[in-house]
Amino acid sequence: DADVTQTPRNRITKTGKRIMLECSQTKGHDRMYWYRQDPGLGLRLIYYSFDVKDINKGEISDGYSVSRQAQAKFSLSLESAIPNQTALYFCATSGSQGGTGELFFGEGSRLTVL
Amino acid sequence: AQSVSQHNHHVILSEAASLELGCNYSYGGTVNLFWYVQYPGQHLQLLLKYFSGDPLVKGIKGFEAEFIKSKFSFNLRKPSVQWSDTAEYFCAVSISGAGSYQLTFGKGTKLSVIP
Repeated sequence: DADVTQTPRNRITKTGKRIMLECSQTKGHDRMYWYRQDPGLGLRLIYYSFDVKDINKGEISDGYSVSRQAQAKFSLSLESAIPNQTALYFCATSGSQGGTGELFFGEGSRLTVL
Repeated sequence: AQSVSQHNHHVILSEAASLELGCNYSYGGTVNLFWYVQYPGQHLQLLLKYFSGDPLVKGIKGFEAEFIKSKFSFNLRKPSVQWSDTAEYFCAVSISGAGSYQLTFGKGTKLSVIP
């Protein structure tokens, strides 16, 4: 089983719909992240969380919200999806010890907004 | 804030050719450096990393990278590529230290290896 699990893996939705992407991890890491990947743009950070009570915006947080329900769970919501949010979304985790920043990624959630 | 530049968007090589992918970062302090690989349809996996010590780092599958502090570079190399190396490669940097939290990625270099 994967250490970082994302659901759903693929989703097609319509403009204006609310969408939630979920992430759970068994690595015991306290830090969790949501990135989006677009062709030619690499990965860009949406939100990150150091622990259950700590949520921080990344470089492209507009139009997104997150919830850290437990140490092992971090969900990403699109309150009202729009077509330019069509992308591949990755959840990632890292441990806090050493502060190296090494990330462990989930399999990705491909979202298409029509 | 730190930034990462990858010089090539798409590289096409024949099998057995040598590979070098460029990566430069902008940050004046101490950094941690990473190369991640994304095979078609898969998630990112760590290829190699540099934290400190020997600036020549060896990773999985015969890849290596050299940290040149004076040039702010961390280029990825492989002496002889295989078709299975076809993938997208991402350089990333984080600021070293206890407060480090954010990995900044380059835009990626797509490698196509022709049999």
